[in-house]
Amino acid sequence: AQTVTQSQPEMSVQEAETVTLSCTYDTSESDYYLFWYKQPPSRQMILVIRQEAYKQQNATENRFSVNFQKAAKSFSLKISDSQLGDAAMYFCASLEYGNKLVFGAGTILRVKS
Amino acid sequence: DTGVSQDPRHKITKRGQNVTFRCDPISEHNRLYWYRQTLGQGPEFLTYFQNEAQLEKSRLLSDRFSAERPKGSFSTLEIQRTEQGDSAMYLCASSRGLAGEGEQFFGPGTRLTVL
Repeated sequence: AQTVTQSQPEMSVQEAETVTLSCTYDTSESDYYLFWYKQPPSRQMILVIRQEAYKQQNATENRFSVNFQKAAKSFSLKISDSQLGDAAMYFCASLEYGNKLVFGAGTILRVKS
Repeated sequence: DTGVSQDPRHKITKRGQNVTFRCDPISEHNRLYWYRQTLGQGPEFLTYFQNEAQLEKSRLLSDRFSAERPKGSFSTLEIQRTEQGDSAMYLCASSRGLAGEGEQFFGPGTRLTVL
């Protein structure tokens, strides 16, 4: 069974600085997908970035990038030039064939001005 | 079409009552998912549909829970004889495309409080 672990319950970053959120996962599949979702307070979850396991190149979306280490089953999210609007709960999730997402427990990101 | 919608957004009920939630997915999406999220935790998968067929159900979905997607469009999730442990946010998501490739778009959720 898939498992996703986020070991940082809470992180803080100064505005304009860089922060990295950690995630490890376990899967028996060779083909799978990994995601980071953002859930602002009282707002709906939105996709930040996705990574396909068969692609070696790390995904990047503007200020968001991942460090995907397949052998280590690690999938961290780096947020550069942090903004106040980045404050939210961030969930790491994995998806195997069959379409159900498995989420980690989440990391609360606080951005200080 | 502006995204996945869910109704109601909040529901307060007494233990033992039945409740029903509705989800309207993005119109061209053939897959629809239900998740449950308790406070401070990540969402947990409950069930999913491809068109009108319910293809997978989690063990979390007890006999008191039933979900339908009668015409492959909107879906309903019913909880019978609610218990206090059912209090949670119920999230709906939809996607399209081949297995494993479709990004899941989430609705705002229905927050259930069982007194």
